[in-house]
Amino acid sequence: EGQLVESGGNMVQPGGSLRLSCVASGLDFSGHYMHWVRQAPGKGLVWLSSINFHGSSATYADSVMGRFTVSRDNAETTLYLQLSSLRVDDTAVYYCGRGVAYAVDVWGQGTPVIVS
Amino acid sequence: QSALTQPPSASGSPGQSVTISCTGTSRDIGAYNYVSWYQQHPGKAPKLLIYEVDKRPSGVSGRFSGSKSGNTASLTVSGLLADDECDYYCNSYAGSFTWVFGGGTRLTVL
Repeated sequence: EGQLVESGGNMVQPGGSLRLSCVASGLDFSGHYMHWVRQAPGKGLVWLSSINFHGSSATYADSVMGRFTVSRDNAETTLYLQLSSLRVDDTAVYYCGRGVAYAVDVWGQGTPVIVS
Repeated sequence: QSALTQPPSASGSPGQSVTISCTGTSRDIGAYNYVSWYQQHPGKAPKLLIYEVDKRPSGVSGRFSGSKSGNTASLTVSGLLADDECDYYCNSYAGSFTWVFGGGTRLTVL
């Protein structure tokens, strides 16, 4: 069965940067929009960003626009999220997800980012 | 990009049905039939239960059903089981390739 596996989460100081990766295996990657969603400790899910099939167009939540950048490499079946100018309130588990029918049908296990 | 509104908690006894509401606006839920629902057990990734308001992915129990009226969507869980006790999130497409989640509802099986 296909899966998504995130990595790159770490502890970082305010103002710092990180790059998260999400590797897809055993499932169609290039034919789907991909999403990033985060969940702060004890809080709900928040949509962050989406990228189209080819990586030519991306959208962002207002809270991360200008600080986060999403990209993808279809040859490597990998999705990325570059996080910069990190703030304490960016502390969360970051999930990648595969888009289908305007929903997310496959989720990664999440990677934790701690800004402190 | 304001979050959709869900009740913080809901509860029901085993075997009963419970309905969780999700209220948005005419710019998200009211504008599109792209409401989805997710189940999340503690420490686990979310799981897709419902998409396009009322469609169930393969493998999801028929005890879960979705509906929409105006700016409000609903998830009904029938025949409550102990394993249904966890968090539930609604999500809606909000136009211009943006999405918005609800704040989540903690379902307790009494």
